[in-house]
Amino acid sequence: DVKVTQSSRYLVKRTGEKVFLECVQDMDHENMFWYRQDPGLGLRLIYFSYDVKMKEKGDIPEGYSVSREKKERFSLILESASTNQTSMYLCASSGRGVADTQYFGPGTRLTVL
Amino acid sequence: ILNVEQSPQSLHVQEGDSTNFTCSFPSSNFYALHWYRWETAKSPEALFVMTLNGDEKKKGRISATLNTKEGYSYLYIKGSQPEDSATYLCAFTSGGGADGLTFGKGTHLIIQP
Repeated sequence: DVKVTQSSRYLVKRTGEKVFLECVQDMDHENMFWYRQDPGLGLRLIYFSYDVKMKEKGDIPEGYSVSREKKERFSLILESASTNQTSMYLCASSGRGVADTQYFGPGTRLTVL
Repeated sequence: ILNVEQSPQSLHVQEGDSTNFTCSFPSSNFYALHWYRWETAKSPEALFVMTLNGDEKKKGRISATLNTKEGYSYLYIKGSQPEDSATYLCAFTSGGGADGLTFGKGTHLIIQP
């Protein structure tokens, strides 16, 4: 079974803090993704990566950066957290094919005070 | 940003009844259409990936159809059970290499005993 794990289920941070959200997958997938989910807006793509050290902006990259130093790990970084980044963050991974199923982690609910 | 629409937004169905809902997406530059089921407190779980016009997929009591020329997909649930209660998401991807999915906002299905 594919397993995608995220470092925390719940996280509370203060405005201005630097926040790291970690995602690890165990299926040797090339592609990894970060989404956020907000009520009434659905899942929106923040960043994705199709290889180590490669990254591409998604639909809403502002205020975020990412890091992929190892194939199995994809980190989402909030350089200076703001209250409008309070959200549910989901990581996903997939094989190289464009139509490959994406497998999701359990999500991290981040609250920025 | 591509537009993926799902309707209805929410649906209450009596246990044992059958139901269906719709996903509409851009018909140009189509590559694949995904359906996911997202139960509360769990990760989104892949149901189907469809790539060809006229595709029909089935998994137990759940099935899906695809019309790429007119840009829509239907998800059907036959004989609804309480465990079918979830949010059903569709997601679209166009061709061109690794890419994130563009999700609809989902249909929230509640099965009433």
